[in-house]
Amino acid sequence: EVQVLESGGGLVQPGGSLRLSCAASGFSVTSYGITWVRQAPGKGLEWLSGMSASGHTHYADSVKGRFTVSRDSSKNTLYLQMNSLRVDDTAIYYCARWSGYGDSWGQGTLVTVSS
Amino acid sequence: EIVLTQSPGTLSLSPGERATLSCRASQSVTNSYLAWYQQKPGQAPRLLIYGASNRATGIPDRFSGSGSGTDFTLTISRLEPEDFAVYYCQQYGGSPRTFGGGTKVEIK
Repeated sequence: EVQVLESGGGLVQPGGSLRLSCAASGFSVTSYGITWVRQAPGKGLEWLSGMSASGHTHYADSVKGRFTVSRDSSKNTLYLQMNSLRVDDTAIYYCARWSGYGDSWGQGTLVTVSS
Repeated sequence: EIVLTQSPGTLSLSPGERATLSCRASQSVTNSYLAWYQQKPGQAPRLLIYGASNRATGIPDRFSGSGSGTDFTLTISRLEPEDFAVYYCQQYGGSPRTFGGGTKVEIK
C-alpha cells in the first residue's frame, strides 16, 4: 500500500528553524516525485516545493531561499528544512507522492510559528 | 504563474442534486494538466481527477471532469451525503504548480 507519513512539526519561534520528514512506503522516492503543500488555518492549499524522482528540486517564490528539500534514499524519506520561519508560515504541512498531482497524501504535521 | 480562479465560492445544494464547479486559469493549461481534489474537515486532500478528465483510482463515476485551455469543470452528477466538502483544482502544466482557492459544497 502506498503511504506517506509526515513528522517533525511543532512550535518554533519567529526566525527559528525546523526540519520536517516525509517517510514513504509502498514505493521508492527515487521512482516518484514528492511534493510539500501547506494549508494555513482556515485557508486553502499552497504548493511549496518538490523533488522529482531524478532529484531535481522546485520551490515556490514564497519559500525560495528559506526552505530546502533533500532526501535520504536509504531511508526512503524526504526532508523539508525550514529556516528563518515567520508567523505566516504557521500551517499544516502535507507531503504527497507527486506525478505533477498528488495521488497519495499524508495526514499532515502542524507547524506553529509564534513567540 | 498560472492563477486559478474557482467559482462559486460556496455551492448550497441538496443530496441528489447535480453540482457543477468551475476552475478558470489565467492562461492556457498545457496538455490539460489539471487535477481536482476533495478535502473534508480535518482530513488531507484526496485526488479525484487528473489530466482534466481522468478519474483517480477508486473514485466513483458520479465525479467527472471536463475542459481544456483555460476553462475546466468538475461535475458531481448526484450528490451523496459524503460529497459535501471543499474542492480544489490544481494545475501542473506550468511552474510553479498552483491551486485554486476552493469551492465549498454545503448542504442546503
